[in-house]
Amino acid sequence: GAGVSQSPRYKVAKRGQDVALRCDPISGHVSLFWYQQALGQGPEFLTYFQNEAQLDKSGLPSDRFFAERPEGSVSTLKIQRTQQEDSAVYLCASGGTSSYNEQFFGPGTRLTVL
Amino acid sequence: GQQVMQIPQYQHVQEGEDFTTYCNSSTTLSNIQWYKQRPGGHPVFLIQLVKSGEVKKQKRLTFQFGEAKKNSSLHITATQTTDVGTYFCAGRGGATNKLIFGTGTLLAVQP
Repeated sequence: GAGVSQSPRYKVAKRGQDVALRCDPISGHVSLFWYQQALGQGPEFLTYFQNEAQLDKSGLPSDRFFAERPEGSVSTLKIQRTQQEDSAVYLCASGGTSSYNEQFFGPGTRLTVL
Repeated sequence: GQQVMQIPQYQHVQEGEDFTTYCNSSTTLSNIQWYKQRPGGHPVFLIQLVKSGEVKKQKRLTFQFGEAKKNSSLHITATQTTDVGTYFCAGRGGATNKLIFGTGTLLAVQP
């Protein structure tokens, strides 16, 4: 079946612009995660959903970052008033409900803020 | 907060040589997962370890979870050019579904 998809794959924004990044998880996957990966670094946890409930948003770096998953499937990560330090690859992953489930990652969205 | 470190950051080997990366957590982990990320790609799940002292093998790859569940290692025997990429460990602590990724080890294999 289809894997996790993300769009757009690349996004260039001017500083101060708002951006919205989309994630389509694997059908039936209950858990959805967002990570931020800077160049040469490991993925850093941003937030976690189980169905439509956002259970953990402790990794969101500021109140400019907002994530939603209103119907428990597609998720959107929104960044308001982008800053240069927001430039990174944003990865989405989906999985089952258990903390022992593996995570399936999408290809990521590379965000560049000029 | 919880931190997961990996060493080395980078390893360059000749094809056929062995390779090992080590992962250390500042806190006890409930389980640990290993992922591989090819250059320009996304992390791909390799394996999960749950039990103290657990050892698992996948062909040329051997994974180990420490007795104290705070460290882990990945050993590749007789590396091949297809092994090139960054290897990340990722741990969970306590009752959380949140994964903390290690700093990663970039493996380069010279044919």
